[in-house]
Amino acid sequence: QKEVEQDPGPLSVPEGAIVSLNCTYSNSAFQYFMWYRQYSRKGPELLMYTYSSGNKEDGRFTAQVDKSSKYISLFIRDSQPSDSATYLCAMTHGSGNTGKLIFGQGTTLQVKP
Amino acid sequence: DTGVSQDPRHKITKRGQNVTFRCDPISEHNRLYWYRQTLGQGPEFLTYFQNEAQLEKSRLLSDRFSAERPKGSFSTLEIQRTEQGDSAMYLCASSRTDLYGYTFGSGTRLTVV
Repeated sequence: QKEVEQDPGPLSVPEGAIVSLNCTYSNSAFQYFMWYRQYSRKGPELLMYTYSSGNKEDGRFTAQVDKSSKYISLFIRDSQPSDSATYLCAMTHGSGNTGKLIFGQGTTLQVKP
Repeated sequence: DTGVSQDPRHKITKRGQNVTFRCDPISEHNRLYWYRQTLGQGPEFLTYFQNEAQLEKSRLLSDRFSAERPKGSFSTLEIQRTEQGDSAMYLCASSRTDLYGYTFGSGTRLTVV
């Protein structure tokens, strides 16, 4: 079993829809949680990071962490065709700025105009 | 300095040949990471440096792989005696110790034929 599980999709939604992306994990030592967006043939780009449990909002994006359930989510409101990309969750032990990140498989999202 | 730069963008090599990739991090970032990403998967950690010191290496980094970061600036990743299983995107990322998350480069896509 992988440490981080993420449904690869693909997920197809109409423009303007609310998108929910999720990851589960098995290691309770993970403390910092991140979401990256990756366009085709590009490197991942950091969207959101969250420490421990709770919510964090940034524009159309909301990240949620539920450590008791070992479950994290990313919500995208008013989705746009430009949001079409692969979304990767990532997490790390201890401090979020040290050492390695463990990534999920990535979910491919397509937003149709 | 606008981001993490990787060279070359693409490399096609014959099985058994040696290849070397270069990464130039963001200048004020003291941490540098190498990841490998295969199609449909999330990035997998290979190794990371703080300044010129290599602090952690993954078991994925067999003895055919070597990474260096002389003088704590750019880094090179060398693969000796390449195998078809080495075909992947090799991603470099950098970060500062006081910031969360990495900045990734666009990667070097290696194809071993």
